[in-house]
Amino acid sequence: NAGVMQNPRHLVRRRGQEARLRCSPMKGHSHVYWYRQLPEEGLKFMVYLQKENIIDESGMPKERFSAEFPKEGPSILRIQQVVRGDSAAYFCASSPPAGNEQFFGPGTRLTVL
Amino acid sequence: AQTVTQSQPEMSVQEAETVTLSCTYDTSENNYYLFWYKQPPSRQMILVIRQEAYKQQNATENRFSVNFQKAAKSFSLKISDSQLGDTAMYFCAFDWGGSNYKLTFGKGTLLTVNP
Repeated sequence: NAGVMQNPRHLVRRRGQEARLRCSPMKGHSHVYWYRQLPEEGLKFMVYLQKENIIDESGMPKERFSAEFPKEGPSILRIQQVVRGDSAAYFCASSPPAGNEQFFGPGTRLTVL
Repeated sequence: AQTVTQSQPEMSVQEAETVTLSCTYDTSENNYYLFWYKQPPSRQMILVIRQEAYKQQNATENRFSVNFQKAAKSFSLKISDSQLGDTAMYFCAFDWGGSNYKLTFGKGTLLTVNP
């Protein structure tokens, strides 16, 4: 059973560009979570999604950030008009419907030049 | 709001010795879950051990065990017989049983195991 997949592992963008981060949950998992890790910090919750539904986006910045988890395909975290402060590691996790243990992907390291 | 505090930014231990990492948390909830995650240089987040607050017995996983003191809101991780592969950042995390998904992490402790 493959683990949580994230791609790309590393992403470099210039200020003002868009960043798209992808997450494929583990097989059988229908819950996806996104976290952001700034340098020297722990992970911070951003958003919790189920298929075609955003359950809780209380940790998402109000502007430029959006997330989706379509019926088919991976979950996408989209950052529009990136700024240097968006440079961070973005982790995706997934869990089965009835469990609370979250399995993490390897993360995407975003660097904004 | 729930908070998690790890007061030791860095620690080191000699191979084969025992080390304890500290974690305290603040919550008004009664039912919750606590976790220790390991983040090695590869940056992959790996679950080390979990504890349900309603269980009095401390969780153990091979060389890893916790000392859970609910009244003191303390959740320390003990690593016995330390190995070089234990070198990593260790994060304590809290999950309020009611939310069941919004993990709150501490800032982490960098553990170095020396040969």
